[in-house]
Amino acid sequence: DAGVIQSPRHEVTEMGQEVTLRCKPISGHNSLFWYRQTMMRGLELLIYFNNNVPIDDSGMPEDRFSAKMPNASFSTLKIQPSEPRDSAVYFCASSLFSGGSYNEQFFGPGTRLTVL
Amino acid sequence: AQTVTQSQPEMSVQEAETVTLSCTYDTSESDYYLFWYKQPPSRQMILVIRQEAYKQQNATENRFSVNFQKAAKSFSLKISDSQLGDAAMYFCAYRSPGHNAGNMLTFGGGTRLMVKP
Repeated sequence: DAGVIQSPRHEVTEMGQEVTLRCKPISGHNSLFWYRQTMMRGLELLIYFNNNVPIDDSGMPEDRFSAKMPNASFSTLKIQPSEPRDSAVYFCASSLFSGGSYNEQFFGPGTRLTVL
Repeated sequence: AQTVTQSQPEMSVQEAETVTLSCTYDTSESDYYLFWYKQPPSRQMILVIRQEAYKQQNATENRFSVNFQKAAKSFSLKISDSQLGDAAMYFCAYRSPGHNAGNMLTFGGGTRLMVKP
């Protein structure tokens, strides 16, 4: 299995531009998570999906951020317009969620976003 | 809401020695899961070890073991026979059980471990 795939690995953009981060979860997984990692705030959960449905988006910082999961094998995180304070590493993770049982979250390699 | 605290921003250990990383958490739940993740310079998040709160026995994975003190809400990671490849950021994480929580994780702030040759 290729694991969780994220693209691009690095993104440099200018303030005000739209940024789209992409994630392909592990085949068969039904939960998908977007995290943001910064020096100041550490690892924060932004949003997660179960069976393609957003369950909790309380971590999404503001309306400039949006996430979609049109099918079980693809998700996007979009920032429009981007700002320098959005610079961070964005991780996607997936797992198989079945009731209350534990299943490991597998993380992608992350996308390092720099907004100038 | 649950919180996870790692009070040691940095730790160092001599190669082949043993080091313990601390983690405390705050929760009102009785059943939950705890994890230690390793993040090397490659940024990849790698699960090191996990512990189910209902299990009294401390989890062990080769050179990695935990000291789980439920009453004290403490979950420390012990790395024995430290190797240069163990140098990384280590994150403690908490997960609630149950349907509503999904598999969402709450992470601590991390501890940077340096291994001296």
